[in-house]
Order: sequence, then C-alpha cells, then structure tokens
Amino acid sequence: DAKTTQPPSMDCAEGRAANLPCNHSTISGNEYVYWYRQIHSQGPQYIIHGLKNNETNEMASLIITEDRKSSTLILPHATLRDTAVYYCIVRVAHDSNYQLIWGAGTKLIIKP
Amino acid sequence: DGGITQSPKYLFRKEGQNVTLSCEQNLNHDAMYWYRQDPGQGLRLIYYSQIVNDFQKGDIAEGYSVSREKKESFPLTVTSAQKNPTAFYLCASSSRGEGGYTFGSGTRLTVV
Repeated sequence: DAKTTQPPSMDCAEGRAANLPCNHSTISGNEYVYWYRQIHSQGPQYIIHGLKNNETNEMASLIITEDRKSSTLILPHATLRDTAVYYCIVRVAHDSNYQLIWGAGTKLIIKP
Repeated sequence: DGGITQSPKYLFRKEGQNVTLSCEQNLNHDAMYWYRQDPGQGLRLIYYSQIVNDFQKGDIAEGYSVSREKKESFPLTVTSAQKNPTAFYLCASSSRGEGGYTFGSGTRLTVV
C-alpha cells in the first residue's frame, strides 16, 4: 500500500508558484521522500528527493516538516509544460536495496 | 547519453499469444524494475532484479515472467496466463544508494 496521501487534482495559474502537498504520516526515520512527475504516456521523470532538510534544485523546492509527516513540492514559476501527474513517494528499504512505493499522484493543471 | 531504452513503443497482441517487451540500460545500474500502469492509476510493481541472474516477484507477478542474463537487459514476457494484459508497461533502473529511479519511455500493449 502507498505510504503517501495526495490530493487527486490541483489547478495553478501560469507564472505562479505551484504548491503540491503530500502526507506521509507513517514514514520511518531513514525513509526518503521522492517526487516524480509523469506527462501523459511518458515515463516518470525524477524531480527531487529529501530526508529531513529542505532541498532545492533547478526544477523545484522540497519543504519537509520538522516531524517529517508531510512535505510540499514547490514549482516556483509554473509553465504550461508543468501540467502533469505528480507523485510523492516514500522510498523504503527492501532486502539489500530500496523500493519506491507509488500512490495515485496529483494531477496538476497549469492554466494560462 | 546514458539511459533506458524500451521497445517497441506500441505493441499489439492477439489473445493467447505470449509477447516479450525489451528493456536495455547503459547506466551501469545494478537494479532493474518492471511496472504496470493502468489508466488513471499509479505504478504497480511486476518484477524486479537487484543483480544478474536473480529476480523477485513484485505485487502483480502472475501471468508475467522475466530474465536477467545481462546487467544491461531485463526483458519482460507477458504470457497468455495474464488475464488483462492491456496496459502501459514501464521499465526502470537504479543504483544502490540515495539515487532514485531512471525510467524508460514505456511500451503500450494492446490485446486485440
């Protein structure tokens, strides 16, 4: 079962910041939070990941609450090409490697 | 450029036939994965392999088979035992450590 909860859909105006929330209240101390996005009929694209601290890269920022039970992905200046399904995922340890547990994601629609 | 190649992009199969989907990576990743995605849904794990000549069942392995004879290759066979094979199939790979998954562009299988 997915360890994350996301709203099924969100809208955002072009040029504004898109803030996508995610709840992961059962996350363990050594489990990372990953964000991917998937444009229709393509493979998912990695965006960002984090453990405790806030992270930023050229695509987005990831804000993780101090208790690590929730996080927010921020796309600072959304464009029409950011319309996609965004997945918040917890990476869990499995055997000697890791697995990503996928939920249904948030469909983000950027409006002109 | 390093990446994952899935082929073909579209595949049509008659009922009762087996079909093999190709996945090749040149990222030198140890682990490889096969996922199935149905419309409006998240990704479900079919099989994964952490090392050559070894693979494990995921959540929905029934009706599928895999092999991992080379580090670079992880083909998936959809057998006639799979009751509802029409779906979008995604292959991914990962290295040990903090990094996420790299995905291929997917194969859309349709049973006719």
